[in-house]
Amino acid sequence: AQSVSQHNHHVILSEAASLELGCNYSYGGTVNLFWYVQYPGQHLQLLLKYFSGDPLVKGIKGFEAEFIKSKFSFNLRKPSVQWSDTAEYFCAVSTSGGYNKLIFGAGTRLAVHP
Amino acid sequence: DAGVIQSPRHEVTEMGQEVTLRCKPISGHNSLFWYRQTMMRGLELLIYFNNNVPIDDSGMPEDRFSAKMPNASFSTLKIQPSEPRDSAVYFCASTPSGLADTQYFGPGTRLTVL
Repeated sequence: AQSVSQHNHHVILSEAASLELGCNYSYGGTVNLFWYVQYPGQHLQLLLKYFSGDPLVKGIKGFEAEFIKSKFSFNLRKPSVQWSDTAEYFCAVSTSGGYNKLIFGAGTRLAVHP
Repeated sequence: DAGVIQSPRHEVTEMGQEVTLRCKPISGHNSLFWYRQTMMRGLELLIYFNNNVPIDDSGMPEDRFSAKMPNASFSTLKIQPSEPRDSAVYFCASTPSGLADTQYFGPGTRLTVL
């Protein structure tokens, strides 16, 4: 069965620090990869997605993610975080060709201190 | 575009009562998903509709849960009878098509069963 692992459950950073959130999935076939963000009290919003092509994907608000097929990974990065990035981040996977059933990771809660 | 609309935003009920959650997908989207989010289990897919037809309901926890989509612009998730362990945030999401695409989430309904 497909699964998604997010290694860090809680991350605390100071403003301007660099961010990298890990995401690994288990599925041997072609996948579509997503990062969603949930700001406090709000619904999930898409940060970025990878379907094919350049494995380095740029999303909104300065976020980017790199798909490394050999490592089954899709880590999220941001060079310099801001207080407003405080949120929960979810990695999700769907298998290509099927209906868009998203398998979500457990989420990583990021707290950015001024 | 108004986005995915869910109602009510908050629901507090007593154990044993019937609860109905409502969702209006984005106009033109033909796929709809119901998710449940809890601290313990994270985000779980409950059921998926494509063109108003339930395609995958394997995530529906038990017979107390039922979902309908009588037309392209409306879906309900019903819990009868409700139990305290059903307390969670229930999200509805829609996509333009069933194949891999971005899911757009609604604001969620926070359900508390006393």
